[in-house]
Amino acid sequence: GAVVSQHPSWVICKSGTSVKIECRSLDFQATTMFWYRQFPKQSLMLMATSNEGSKATYEQGVEKDKFLINHASLTLSTLTVTSAHPEDSSFYICSAYPAGVYQPQHFGDGTRLSIL
Amino acid sequence: QKEVEQNSGPLSVPEGAIASLNCTYSDRGSQSFFWYRQYSGKSPELIMSIYSNGDKEDGRFTAQLNKASQYVSLLIRDSQPSDSATYLCAVKSGGSNYKLTFGKGTLLTVNP
Repeated sequence: GAVVSQHPSWVICKSGTSVKIECRSLDFQATTMFWYRQFPKQSLMLMATSNEGSKATYEQGVEKDKFLINHASLTLSTLTVTSAHPEDSSFYICSAYPAGVYQPQHFGDGTRLSIL
Repeated sequence: QKEVEQNSGPLSVPEGAIASLNCTYSDRGSQSFFWYRQYSGKSPELIMSIYSNGDKEDGRFTAQLNKASQYVSLLIRDSQPSDSATYLCAVKSGGSNYKLTFGKGTLLTVNP
């Protein structure tokens, strides 16, 4: 149980393109999902907390107009990287957890984004 | 500021040995503790969770928690080359949204 699906797994696109990444909880409802970014050989960095039915909460230093988050249902959150540039190339990972403080976060497989 | 500290390693052990990974955390209000394994180029995978003081065993893995010392550890018995990965300690506090605070991870290498 507790499967999180992330799509696409790999994106290569031109500079200036907007890219949408989907994160789905397949067998549980997730009021809250999280979006992380990870550069090579670096730690996971939390970008934002996605809240169903309300605005996302962004971590300090993350541009909310650049990284648009929509959490329209209890099983789907999307991250859109708008007008992507080469410096946005990274590994983006979402996570979600079943309700309850003792529940662990489960991660999607990640999306590798390469901007040319 | 809530912090989770891990030795970055690399920690190198021979195949069949016990690997010991350690983690300390700063927030005494932390309630849940997790160990994730991350292979290079992959997303983190949950391997252990622990919520109360003491030991919790699952196969070759044992998690240990000491809330008084704010210390969490992971022991891997009979280490295998396939255990070579980065191990992330994560701590969840109470409050809204239950964000995880991650350590920077310990790189473990198991030598055949």
